[in-house]
Amino acid sequence: GQQVMQIPQYQHVQEGEDFTTYCNSSTTLSNIQWYKQRPGGHPVFLIQLVKSGEVKKQKRLTFQFGEAKKNSSLHITATQTTDVGTYFCAGGGNQGGKLIFGQGTELSVKP
Amino acid sequence: KAGVTQTPRYLIKTRGQQVTLSCSPISGHRSVSWYQQTPGQGLQFLFEYFSETQRNKGNFPGRFSGRQFSNSRSEMNVSTLELGDSALYLCASSNRGGYNEQFFGPGTRLTVL
Repeated sequence: GQQVMQIPQYQHVQEGEDFTTYCNSSTTLSNIQWYKQRPGGHPVFLIQLVKSGEVKKQKRLTFQFGEAKKNSSLHITATQTTDVGTYFCAGGGNQGGKLIFGQGTELSVKP
Repeated sequence: KAGVTQTPRYLIKTRGQQVTLSCSPISGHRSVSWYQQTPGQGLQFLFEYFSETQRNKGNFPGRFSGRQFSNSRSEMNVSTLELGDSALYLCASSNRGGYNEQFFGPGTRLTVL
């Protein structure tokens, strides 16, 4: 079945450094979504990408959807301690309409 | 609008017992999906209900079942609990379907002893 792989599993950065997490699907996706889960919290929707090659920005966060619609990335510029949490990608639309989540990347930021 | 609510928030059961978890979606949302979250396996899709019908199902044994009521509230049942069922069970609602933006509830933390 469809699989969504996400790397790295953990990332420790110094505050102010950049951070990137990558997501790869075994099949073509109709859309990719990104969620953030703070420690002890629940996943919160960040963004959805639909078009091939799409790039979207939210302040210091940049999201990309690959040309083949099989991979995606989230880049955070100049991390802050408020960025701490686990970032999940989720691919949707091609497996009977369900979302398949990646394993998540846990980001820790040292002040 | 009120967010997604889940009850109970914490639950301790013993092996062999059964458990029922409840989820109330955001008002107007007809799609409710359930996920199991564990440290080793991440977020695993259990099933999705839309207008009282199960529309999608993940790769979980038949011990995991669910239903949705006419008011869109949903319940999930796990029978014959196993130690490996210990996890955070998250419910998410959507106004358009299980592969669109999901609004998650706080989850039910189930511990099986």
